[in-house]
This record gives sequence, structure tokens and C-alpha cells, in this order.
Amino acid sequence: EAGVAQSPRYKIIEKRQSVAFWCNPISGHATLYWYQQILGQGPKLLIQFQNNGVVDDSQLPKDRFSAERLKGVDSTLKIQPAKLEDSAVYLCASSMDRGGNEQFFGPGTRLTVL
Amino acid sequence: AQSVTQLGSHVSVSEGALVLLRCNYSSSVPPYLFWYVQYPNQGLQLLLKYTSAATLVKGINGFEAEFKKSETSFHLTKPSAHMSDAAEYFCAVSDRGFGNEKLTFGTGTRLTIIP
Repeated sequence: EAGVAQSPRYKIIEKRQSVAFWCNPISGHATLYWYQQILGQGPKLLIQFQNNGVVDDSQLPKDRFSAERLKGVDSTLKIQPAKLEDSAVYLCASSMDRGGNEQFFGPGTRLTVL
Repeated sequence: AQSVTQLGSHVSVSEGALVLLRCNYSSSVPPYLFWYVQYPNQGLQLLLKYTSAATLVKGINGFEAEFKKSETSFHLTKPSAHMSDAAEYFCAVSDRGFGNEKLTFGTGTRLTIIP
């Protein structure tokens, strides 16, 4: 079974530029999560989708971050414009259903903002 | 609000020695508890989870954890450390049921194995 795919794996941009990350969850997984992991910290949930609807985006900085999940499968996370403090690893995860089921994580995208 | 506290950002043990990584949780409702491992440049992999069945949970790679409600703890142990156990370990909590699967992670513990 293929795992969660993310691209790109690494991205370096300058502040005020825009960037987008892509995630393809495990086939059949209805729930998709985007986490931000700053160096030295645990992952922090940015947004959670159930199929193509948003379940929780309370910690998403909506003035600069946006995310969508078209057709309830792939998802993109965008930052526009980027700030220095956005430097982090962005992790995508998916799970089969709600209610404490295991979340499967992708390898992450490491973003460096200069 | 639910949270977890991991005591010790860095732990070093000798190969073959006991591994003990500490996690304490705070939750207003009975929680689900998880331990994840992260190897360099990789995503997180689930080691084990507690979801209200047995309080002693066995996971992959010889790890286990015990849920102690009276101590609000969920410490991770392994009897004999192996070089391949070197990684970062994260404890996480989510509320039980009612559709809330949001994971709140601790700050992580980096485990170093001394040959």
C-alpha cells in the first residue's frame, strides 16, 4: 500500500514570496491533516479536512495561509506571502475515519524562508 | 484544553540499557494517547496507542507504554536499547470520541544510543 506522498521535499524562498505544497493521501482515507513542525517543537495542526470539507482550521493563519482539498483526495497548502517564521517542516497526514484512528504521515516538506 | 508534557528534550542511554521516555497528559475527558517516532528527514510513524482497552500497551520494535490515570502519565519504555532506536519521539493526545481526532503533540524527546 502506497503511503502519503508530499512534494516538494525541500523548498527555499525569500520572504514575501509565495509557495505551495502538495499532498496525496493514502487511497480511501477520508480525513486529511496539515501540520506545521517548527524546529525543536512538536507538530501543530493547521487544518483538518473530512472529505473536501474543513473540520478544523482554528490554528491556520488565514491572512497568509490557505488550503484546499479538491474532490476529497489531493490537497494543497499555500503560503502567500511567506514570513521568516514560516520556516518549518509541513507534514501531511491522513486517516481512514474519525474517532481515534491512526494517522499516517508523509515525509514532509522542509521550507526555508530567507 | 488538552496537552502533553514530555520531560527531557534529550535522553542518552547505552546500547542494551533500559529506555524510559516520560509523558504526562492533561485532558478534561478520558483521552486517547499515542507515541510516534520520527527518524531524520522522515515523517512520523506510530509506535503505539492507548484507546481504553488494556492499560499496558505493546507497540512495534519492542516498545511498550503504560497508561496510569492516577499519575496522568503514559511513559514509553523498552527493556534493551538498540542503535536503531536513535530518533525523536513524540507523545500525543486526542479527546476520546465525539469526532475530535485532533492530535496535540508534546515537544519531543531526542533519544541517543551510546555504543
